[in-house]
Amino acid sequence: EIVLTQSPGTLSLSPGERATLSCRASQRVSGTYLAWYQQKFGQAPRLLIHGASRRATGIPDRFSGSGSGTDFTLTISRLEPEDVAVYYCQQYGSVPGTFGQGTKVAIK
Amino acid sequence: EVQLVETGGNLVQPGGSLRLSCVVSGFDVNDSYMNWVRQAPGKGPEWVSVIYTGGSTWSADSVKGRFIISRDSSQNTVYLQMNSLGVDDTAIYYCARSFGLLSHFDYWGQGTQVTVSS
Repeated sequence: EIVLTQSPGTLSLSPGERATLSCRASQRVSGTYLAWYQQKFGQAPRLLIHGASRRATGIPDRFSGSGSGTDFTLTISRLEPEDVAVYYCQQYGSVPGTFGQGTKVAIK
Repeated sequence: EVQLVETGGNLVQPGGSLRLSCVVSGFDVNDSYMNWVRQAPGKGPEWVSVIYTGGSTWSADSVKGRFIISRDSSQNTVYLQMNSLGVDDTAIYYCARSFGLLSHFDYWGQGTQVTVSS
């Protein structure tokens, strides 16, 4: 199965700063079958991005995704206090679909 | 409004069984791929099982032969029967909708806690 490694483990930034989260796959991800989720404390994951770069319904445009092959990136262009959460990537190009271990985003 | 509400989580001894339920409103479970996804403490989510629109099912190797996913269209509910539970099955179990076996998950329930411990 494909292993996803996310970095950094924790990202601590000031409001308004740009956050760049990385997701690296152990093998090439078929197509652009990569999604990103946001999980706030005590809540279920929420879909942000699918198809590597397509924002889900209702997601603010400060969230963007890019990448292909084995390297993918989630960018939050201007960090807001409500963006404090753990972010997970998921590949669904091969069975079984797998998730990364998460990147925690905190506000300074 | 779409809602998925899971129930049935509990503390159970190793070797025991539990049945989880996911009541869905806002769409028909027969027209969707319905999944169970679990998340152990401090870990990323892990896909567990899926039931297709046609009724076929598929499970992760870690639960194959022990967990059974099913649905009741009259109740618009999806179930997960979990047998021979081990401590590694301790997790929050989420019900989630997808568009196939190879798909992202667009709607999630709030989860139900399963703890396996003696």
